[in-house]
Amino acid sequence: DGGITQSPKYLFRKEGQNVTLSCEQNLNHDAMYWYRQDPGQGLRLIYYSQIVNDFQKGDIAEGYSVSREKKESFPLTVTSAQKNPTAFYLCASSGSGKETQYFGPGTRLLVL
Amino acid sequence: DQQVKQNSPSLSVQEGRISILNCDYTNSMFDYFLWYKKYPAEGPTFLISISSIKDKNEDGRFTVFLNKSAKHLSLHIVPSQPGDSAVYFCAASAPPGNTGKLIFGQGTTLQVKP
Repeated sequence: DGGITQSPKYLFRKEGQNVTLSCEQNLNHDAMYWYRQDPGQGLRLIYYSQIVNDFQKGDIAEGYSVSREKKESFPLTVTSAQKNPTAFYLCASSGSGKETQYFGPGTRLLVL
Repeated sequence: DQQVKQNSPSLSVQEGRISILNCDYTNSMFDYFLWYKKYPAEGPTFLISISSIKDKNEDGRFTVFLNKSAKHLSLHIVPSQPGDSAVYFCAASAPPGNTGKLIFGQGTTLQVKP
């Protein structure tokens, strides 16, 4: 059945290390998004992609990078430049021209 | 600059009663609004939406009201059930030129007591 998957569910990062969070969707959606949620706060947009091989920075892109080589996949790399990476990361997708986004189950990133 | 605000961090209601969650926005160019429900350690699930050309949309126990002049929307849940206990986020579709981007409020934690 269709949906969005994120892996892993929990991820641990050591100081100075880059880590990559996976997001895959089989909904045939054109647009994909990455959000970060911190305790007591709403979702903040990191990066988004409206079409394959194209992506734009969101509101808090510093310290993150993405790629969109395939329609189904939108991995997020948390680089060592991100000084406060501990958060709950959510991936979402939406159909072309549609505002409703559908979310994956999330990945919790913790720093060792 | 918080363009979408949910000023009540939490709300507690009795089972069977009405839950009213509120959301205010500042940008009059927003043309589409959504409500999401989120359980801890899970992704948000879409609940209901409303276009700016309407002032009400209903889906089962959930109704969203939009007051454009006041830049205010609300989600009514009637009757409330214990399974409705979750964090509720309102979101607004960004102005033209930013297709697909959503701006989220901070969330309101709803607790429905049996």
